[in-house]
Amino acid sequence: AQKITQTQPGMFVQEKEAVTLDCTYDTSDPSYGLFWYKQPSSGEMIFLIYQGSYDQQNATEGRYSLNFQKARKSANLVISASQLGDSAMYFCAMRQWGSGYSTLTFGKGTMLLVSP
Amino acid sequence: DVKVTQSSRYLVKRTGEKVFLECVQDMDHENMFWYRQDPGLGLRLIYFSYDVKMKEKGDIPEGYSVSREKKERFSLILESASTNQTSMYLCASSLDRDSNQPQHFGDGTRLSIL
Repeated sequence: AQKITQTQPGMFVQEKEAVTLDCTYDTSDPSYGLFWYKQPSSGEMIFLIYQGSYDQQNATEGRYSLNFQKARKSANLVISASQLGDSAMYFCAMRQWGSGYSTLTFGKGTMLLVSP
Repeated sequence: DVKVTQSSRYLVKRTGEKVFLECVQDMDHENMFWYRQDPGLGLRLIYFSYDVKMKEKGDIPEGYSVSREKKERFSLILESASTNQTSMYLCASSLDRDSNQPQHFGDGTRLSIL
């Protein structure tokens, strides 16, 4: 069974500082994909960044980057220069493939609070 | 941009009622999904569909059924609602199984069963 672990229930960071949100995963498949989503208090899930298991370089999208350490099975999200609007719930998810379909398994999430 | 629309943001129903949650996507996506989200548990997959009239059970299908008669529409049905089905329900869609494209989510339906 595939599993995603987010060990930090909550994180605090000051505006303009960088923060790392942890995610570890467990899979025996050589091919997988890792996603990070942001969920503000309004409820919608916003896709942030994707990393494929065969990607040679760590993914980056603006202020978001993914610290992908394959041997450690970790895919931590790094947010640089935090903004007040970054306060939200963050979910790590892993794609798994079945017969003719693929699904996501989500971690339990980390609540990030950014203070002025 | 992909648009996934859920019919209601908030819904209150009574125990024993049959409840329908509707989801429509406008990007011709093959796959559609229903999740429920509860505090401390993250998102859990209820059912998904990878083609019209096709459905697969997710991790927690008990007490739910689904319908996909058209490609753009995926309905979640609570046959006889119970209080333990009070939750946030999220619908999502994605392009196809081989794509690295993410799942796109609707805004969610907060369902209360009294």
